[in-house]
Amino acid sequence: DTGVSQDPRHKITKRGQNVTFRCDPISEHNRLYWYRQTLGQGPEFLTYFQNEAQLEKSRLLSDRFSAERPKGSFSTLEIQRTEQGDSAMYLCAAGLAGIYEQYFGPGTRLTVT
Amino acid sequence: GENVEQHPSTLSVQEGDSAVIKCTYSDSASNYFPWYKQELGKRPQLIIDIRSNVGEKKDQRIAVTLNKTAKHFSLHITETQPEDSAVYFCAAYDFNKFYFGSGTKLNVKP
Repeated sequence: DTGVSQDPRHKITKRGQNVTFRCDPISEHNRLYWYRQTLGQGPEFLTYFQNEAQLEKSRLLSDRFSAERPKGSFSTLEIQRTEQGDSAMYLCAAGLAGIYEQYFGPGTRLTVT
Repeated sequence: GENVEQHPSTLSVQEGDSAVIKCTYSDSASNYFPWYKQELGKRPQLIIDIRSNVGEKKDQRIAVTLNKTAKHFSLHITETQPEDSAVYFCAAYDFNKFYFGSGTKLNVKP
């Protein structure tokens, strides 16, 4: 157990609906990353936070995606107007700034029908 | 941005044999190289890592080597066991972001 939890673990939604995922790192983790992983591929960077500041967002990320980390603790990732191509595993990883290691949560598997 | 390539995509070995997975990276500024093991339906787990000022690191049956000049690093697993069967990902850390390879599915046959 890495101490990083994600909720929900599975989400099935219809195309066009909005979804929100949550990630809870341990309190010491001031850096938090979101990734997307599709079958047979490695995690793909989406965005990352240091404390409450969103420091970078992937240029490939659609404007339909938004993430927040309002108090520097938990984070949410929202996808608006979901599309079938959004179906994937969404992984959160956390660690300490200045310490390279990051630890993954169990992921949220999104299926868009 | 950084580009990480990983080979082979699948690897099948007999129990007790060694397995080697190789990755190359493009940006010489990358300075940290972790390896993750991901079992089916589970989260990626960090199994070993290496920093750019080190050439080799070992932890029991696993080792990682880094060649900065050639920009490649490798994972070595000795005396493989069936429980080593999983997908393995390499990654490179560059300017606060991790770039992952596409994964190697390792199958250890008993």
